[in-house]
Amino acid sequence: DIVMIQAPLSLSVTPGEPASISCRSSQSLLHSNGYNCLDWYLQKPGQSPQLLIYLGTNRASGVPERFSGSGSGTDFTLKISRVEAEDVGVYYCMQALQTPMYTFGQGTKLEV
Amino acid sequence: VRLVESGGGLVQPGGSLRLSCAVSGFNFRSYAMTWVRQAPGKGLEWVSTLSGSDGRAYYTDSVKGRFIISRDNSQNTLYLQINSLRAEDTAIYYCTKDPYYDILTGSSRDRPDYWGQGTLVTVSS
Repeated sequence: DIVMIQAPLSLSVTPGEPASISCRSSQSLLHSNGYNCLDWYLQKPGQSPQLLIYLGTNRASGVPERFSGSGSGTDFTLKISRVEAEDVGVYYCMQALQTPMYTFGQGTKLEV
Repeated sequence: VRLVESGGGLVQPGGSLRLSCAVSGFNFRSYAMTWVRQAPGKGLEWVSTLSGSDGRAYYTDSVKGRFIISRDNSQNTLYLQINSLRAEDTAIYYCTKDPYYDILTGSSRDRPDYWGQGTLVTVSS
């Protein structure tokens, strides 16, 4: 199984400031098709997870431009350029290289 | 698109439950479906996936031999039969339209993001 490690596990950010979350995988997530099979989800308090970023760098429909994903291989980063109050929740990375046997990071709790 | 789980509850160790996920808003029979669970205060864990086309089922190791995923395409409903329940199976169980299975098999080009609200299973004596 591919192990996903996130850092930090918690983050407290002032509104308007940037935030960054790291995700590392135990093996490369670069598919032979050239895509990195890494997604980012946000789970807001009391809600189901919602997709933010797919295939490493693609923002999902309706996701604000302040969210961006980067990285390749085994090292990935989710960045929020200017954190807003509505961004609170737990952020998860998920590998999809071994579809459908997905694995998630431990989660990073963001407080604003 | 709507996914509505039901069937959770309090069950004793060793007991069984059948979870259901009623789906509307897309052609259910054509797509793979997945169960993901979340233990209280913990992270997300993939549990099981069932393809839409050929009936292939996949399970995480900790539930193999105890859980059975199935579907009724005539009722647009996904099921998860959970048997021999253990305390560590206590979790919210979410159903979701599988994010990549159908892309990988070439039957879809869309990256879906559809989740139910979850149903809570509590295993306790």
